[in-house]
Amino acid sequence: KAGVTQTPRYLIKTRGQQVTLSCSPISGHRSVSWYQQTPGQGLQFLFEYFSETQRNKGNFPGRFSGRQFSNSRSEMNVSTLELGDSALYLCASSQYPNTEAFFGQGTRLTVV
Amino acid sequence: KNEVEQSPQNLTAQEGEFITINCSYSVGISALHWLQQHPGGGIVSLFMLSSGKKKHGRLIATINIQEKHSSLHITASHPRDSAVYICAVRSEKLVFGKGTKLTVNP
Repeated sequence: KAGVTQTPRYLIKTRGQQVTLSCSPISGHRSVSWYQQTPGQGLQFLFEYFSETQRNKGNFPGRFSGRQFSNSRSEMNVSTLELGDSALYLCASSQYPNTEAFFGQGTRLTVV
Repeated sequence: KNEVEQSPQNLTAQEGEFITINCSYSVGISALHWLQQHPGGGIVSLFMLSSGKKKHGRLIATINIQEKHSSLHITASHPRDSAVYICAVRSEKLVFGKGTKLTVNP
């Protein structure tokens, strides 16, 4: 069974640009969550989707958005990138919310 | 004060030692997760528990709901156990501790 796949693995963007990150969950998993990890703040929750609906959102500005498709794949978008958005972005999938989560390898975003 | 506090922040052990990492939280939770992160970023979920104790190989996780405290134990530690161990609690969302960096020397 394939694990959680995140693409791309590495990304370099310029301030002001926008970026879209993709997460393909484990087959059969309908819940996808996104997290940001930085050296200063550690891991922080971004949002959670289940069956194409956003169930929960963390304390991030509106520049951070996401969506989930009918095949459970999820994307997150960050617009008007700032230097502080440089981070490792992780997604995790689970069968349902509040069940065991499996993490992808992450996308390392560098904003220059 | 963070909702999830881990201790110690850093831990160095000799191969074979028994290791304990602690996690205290201040909110009501439905579950607590222990995660392992190796250099390079990949995160592995070790345990999800809401009561009692779970064991997997040399790893044991316990939780005391009344005291809002959990511990992760590693028996017979090995250099390959070197990683960052992260405690996360689920209330409305997952809230993470800052992590414990474990180094096991041969």
